[in-house]
Amino acid sequence: GAVVSQHPSWVICKSGTSVKIECRSLDFQATTMFWYRQFPKQSLMLMATSNEGSKATYEQGVEKDKFLINHASLTLSTLTVTSAHPEDSSFYICSANHRTPSYEQYFGPGTRLTVT
Amino acid sequence: AQSVTQPDIHITVSEGASLELRCNYSYGATPYLFWYVQSPGQGLQLLLKYFSGDTLVQGIKGFEAEFKRSQSSFNLRKPSVHWSDAAEYFCAVGGGSGNTGKLIFGQGTTLQVKP
Repeated sequence: GAVVSQHPSWVICKSGTSVKIECRSLDFQATTMFWYRQFPKQSLMLMATSNEGSKATYEQGVEKDKFLINHASLTLSTLTVTSAHPEDSSFYICSANHRTPSYEQYFGPGTRLTVT
Repeated sequence: AQSVTQPDIHITVSEGASLELRCNYSYGATPYLFWYVQSPGQGLQLLLKYFSGDTLVQGIKGFEAEFKRSQSSFNLRKPSVHWSDAAEYFCAVGGGSGNTGKLIFGQGTTLQVKP
């Protein structure tokens, strides 16, 4: 149980285009979903926290107009990287909280984004 | 400030040897502590967690961790390492009043296993 999926697992896009990444909780309803960015050999950097039906809360320094998050349902959140540039290339990971306990996050397998 | 420190960036152990990965935290409230493992190009898998109660917690894959409040530590241990344990290990802390569910991650420790 508590499986989180991400789609796509990897994507290559051209500079200036937008890319959407989906995060789904497959067998549970997620109270909250989190989006992280991870650079090679580094830790996870929290980008934003999203709750179903409300606006995402972005961490300091994260451009909300560039990284659009939509949390349409209790099982789906999407991250759209708008007008992507090579510096946006990274590994993006989502996670979801089960309702109880609320601290335990279940992670998706990640999405590798390469912007050319 | 809330933070998690994993002092060892890279550790190499021989297969069959014991392992201890260190984790120290700074947190203003009662911490909820986690250890996650990440294989290359993959998401994170939860190894174990501590919320309350017995300070020695058992996890999957033969791992255990001990919460020591006096030392603000939550070190991960395994008595005998297998080659498949080679991965990146992250310690994380969360909890407290006004809980948002957010976790603070340490920098990670890369474990290499020698045959």
